[in-house]
Amino acid sequence: GENVEQHPSTLSVQEGDSAVIKCTYSDSASNYFPWYKQELGKRPQLIIDIRSNVGEKKDQRIAVTLNKTAKHFSLHITETQPEDSAVYFCAASTAGNTPLVFGKGTRLSVIA
Amino acid sequence: ETGVTQTPRHLVMGMTNKKSLKCEQHLGHNAMYWYKQSAKKPLELMFVYNFKEQTENNSVPSRFSPECPNSSHLFLHLHTLQPEDSALYLCASSQQETQYFGPGTRLLVL
Repeated sequence: GENVEQHPSTLSVQEGDSAVIKCTYSDSASNYFPWYKQELGKRPQLIIDIRSNVGEKKDQRIAVTLNKTAKHFSLHITETQPEDSAVYFCAASTAGNTPLVFGKGTRLSVIA
Repeated sequence: ETGVTQTPRHLVMGMTNKKSLKCEQHLGHNAMYWYKQSAKKPLELMFVYNFKEQTENNSVPSRFSPECPNSSHLFLHLHTLQPEDSALYLCASSQQETQYFGPGTRLLVL
């Protein structure tokens, strides 16, 4: 089955700096890669996703890149702000309602 | 924020109690999921239902019993739990790949 590895487990950055979180996956059939943000005491919320027919996707300060050959994908947050502090989860799945396989999460702290 | 709701939001129970968690989705999705979230295993898939049929049981102990009477409602029946079952229980729903989570039930087993 699919296995998703996520690094680092914790990340601290200064406000205004960039943050990068990386994930690798094992199943070459996976073609959907979402990223979730979970603030303290709240539900995980989808912030961006990418499908395997696209190499990069941007939404304001966040972007995701996908390298299908190497089977890894990354989340990039630019100009970080204190409200970006949260736990971020990557995930992978194949098409349809195949369950997402999640990474173990990255706790991002943005220091003002 | 209100697409997937869960009740109760907090629950304290003894090891001999029987309780149920409820999840309801108002998004017209056809798949629903139960996850357990704890410090040791951040997002651990428990059960998956597609069109009311259970399609995955991720080696969950029988003291957890799911029920899906229709595509909009999902229950998790709890009995004879252990203290290590204390965790946040999250429900999610999806139509295709994208899952939307409920706010979770924070469970404490004494």
